[in-house]
Amino acid sequence: GAVVSQHPSWVICKSGTSVKIECRSLDFQATTMFWYRQFPKQSLMLMATSNEGSKATYEQGVEKDKFLINHASLTLSTLTVTSAHPEDSSFYICSARDSVLAYNEQFFGPGTRLTVL
Amino acid sequence: SQQGEEDPQALSIQEGENATMNCSYKTSINNLQWYRQNSGRGLVHLILIRSNEREKHSGRLRVTLDTSKKSSSLLITASRAADTASYFCATDANDYKLSFGAGTTVTVRA
Repeated sequence: GAVVSQHPSWVICKSGTSVKIECRSLDFQATTMFWYRQFPKQSLMLMATSNEGSKATYEQGVEKDKFLINHASLTLSTLTVTSAHPEDSSFYICSARDSVLAYNEQFFGPGTRLTVL
Repeated sequence: SQQGEEDPQALSIQEGENATMNCSYKTSINNLQWYRQNSGRGLVHLILIRSNEREKHSGRLRVTLDTSKKSSSLLITASRAADTASYFCATDANDYKLSFGAGTTVTVRA
C-alpha cells in the first residue's frame, strides 16, 4: 500500500523557536497533502490543504503566518511552526492523496509529536 | 470543520465479541471513510463507502451507510486484542477535505 512518512517523529523545542515537519509520499505522487492537528484524546482537526506548486489553503481560525506550508514537489510538503509556544504542543499528522486514484482515499503519515517548553 | 459525531465514545468488550460503533454527520457527502488509530500513531484507512452504497464488507469489518438518516455504522466481528484502538469516521463532501468524527475508543479484553 501507499506509504507516507513524516520527519521527525517527535520534537521538543524551546518557546519562540521554529520547527519544521516534513511529510513525504514514498511511492506515489501527491498533488494534494493535508495537515491535521490532534490534541490528546481528541479528533483530528484539518489545518490546511497543501497543493503542489501553489499556496496552501488554510481552515478558518488557523494562522497562515504561524503555520507555514510549502509543497515544493509532488512528494514533499513541509509544515513550519514559527515562534512556537506551549499551546502549539500537539500531534501533527499529514496525509497525502494519490493523484491517480479517482476517489479520495488519503494515506496518513505516522504523525509528529511536538512539545514546546 | 468537524461534522461527524460518534457513539459510543468508548467501548470495552471481551475478545471474540462484536463491536459496533455509529457515526452521524450533518451535510451531504460523496463518501464516508473509517479509520483506525493506535495510541500515538497515525491513521490506518479501513474502508470507504460511497454515498450510493448501503453496505460494504472487508474481512471482519462491515460498514453500513444510511444517507437518509445521515448515519453510518462500523461493525467489527470476532474482535481480537489487536483491534484495541480508536476508530474514526470521516466524511468527504466532494471537496477532498475529510471531516473527522470525535472517535470511539475500543478496548478488547483478552
